[in-house]
Amino acid sequence: GDSVTQTEGLVTLTEGLPVMLNCTYQTIYSNPFLFWYVQHLNESPRLLLKSFTDNKRTEHQGFHATLHKSSSSFHLQKSSAQLSDSALYYCALSGDTNAYKVIFGKGTHLHVLP
Amino acid sequence: GALVYQYPRRTICKSGTSMRMECQAVGFQATSVAWYRQSPQKTFELIALSTVNSAIKYEQNFTQEKFPISHPNLSFSSMTVLNAYLEDRGLYLCGARVGTGGDTQYFGPGTRLLVL
Repeated sequence: GDSVTQTEGLVTLTEGLPVMLNCTYQTIYSNPFLFWYVQHLNESPRLLLKSFTDNKRTEHQGFHATLHKSSSSFHLQKSSAQLSDSALYYCALSGDTNAYKVIFGKGTHLHVLP
Repeated sequence: GALVYQYPRRTICKSGTSMRMECQAVGFQATSVAWYRQSPQKTFELIALSTVNSAIKYEQNFTQEKFPISHPNLSFSSMTVLNAYLEDRGLYLCGARVGTGGDTQYFGPGTRLLVL
């Protein structure tokens, strides 16, 4: 079945350093949609960015990710971490245009230190 | 804009009792509603997915007998936690989508369940 695997647990880094959160997936769909959701403390998850196109960089709020179908990856990156980036990040997958289900990874907790 | 409301935001129930939570989509029609549970032990779990004109599908380890769901129209869904026990504690999130594929899933603020 479909699944999403991401860096589990806690990632701690110092403000100003680059961020990279790994996400790989398995799916039966040849054209999946990949998402990154962010959940700040005491809030609900919200969409950060999403992609459908192979090898095309998608950017939003300083974060970027590129869907690579050859390696089934959709890593989240940012050039310079900010304190406000501390949050829980979920990588998610949905099938093609007929798929209702969104499959989430277990989440990565990013903690940015001053 | 698209908003999802959940009620109640927080509830406490005695072990063995039941509680019902609601999810309301505002500003859009939700053709699918997914219920999740977020807990420290098991992070983010999908409980069930309810789609328009289709039966509700429960994930492994979750059953209709324990978590009955009602989805009477495109803007409202409710779920009940029957015979709640300590392991049912957590934040129950409702996620609603307009369509499929690349459509965004909008989450409500969640209902936090505490079981005494």
